[in-house]
Amino acid sequence: DAGVTQSPTHLIKTRGQQVTLRCSPKSGHDTVSWYQQALGQGPQFIFQYYEEEERQRGNFPDRFSGHQYPNYSSELNVNALLLGDSALYLCASSPDGSSYNEQFFGPGTRLTVL
Amino acid sequence: SQQGEEDPQALSIQEGENATMNCSYKTSINNLQWYRQNSGRGLVHLILIRSNEREKHSGRLRVTLDTSKKSSSLLITASRAADTASYFCATDPYSGGSNYKLTFGKGTLLTVNP
Repeated sequence: DAGVTQSPTHLIKTRGQQVTLRCSPKSGHDTVSWYQQALGQGPQFIFQYYEEEERQRGNFPDRFSGHQYPNYSSELNVNALLLGDSALYLCASSPDGSSYNEQFFGPGTRLTVL
Repeated sequence: SQQGEEDPQALSIQEGENATMNCSYKTSINNLQWYRQNSGRGLVHLILIRSNEREKHSGRLRVTLDTSKKSSSLLITASRAADTASYFCATDPYSGGSNYKLTFGKGTLLTVNP
């Protein structure tokens, strides 16, 4: 049973560019959440997707957008990259997104913005 | 913004000793979870304790929750070198409505020396 997978593992971009990160949830999970983790910090919630809709959003600008496909996989898009967007981006899945359920995290995508 | 704050920021112990990490938070919560992260990779769920519970055990882990003091502790008994990791508490703040995000602290870096 595959867990949460993310691609790519690492990514290097320059300021102003756009990036797309991908996530496949654990089998049987229909909800995907995205988190940003800066170096030395805890993960910060970006948004959650359920039934192909953004259900809740954290304190992130509109440059951060996402999508969920019918097979529950998800993408995180970041436009007009800033140096401060350099971070580990984590995807987490759960059966229904309830905070009473544990979140299953992927290994993350390390984004470096130069 | 970070809801939980772990204490200490770093902890170094010898194999076989017990490790205690604390988490304080600011607002009322529905539940609190502890996660572990190895070397900046994905997070692994350790234990979830609900706001109406005071103590929970899982293997060598013991978690307590004191809602009157808005604090929780994670005890790892008989630590092993493989327990070396960062440990995060994550809260589900009570907002009166539906909430799907977890709010993480900055973490405690535990080093277990062989």
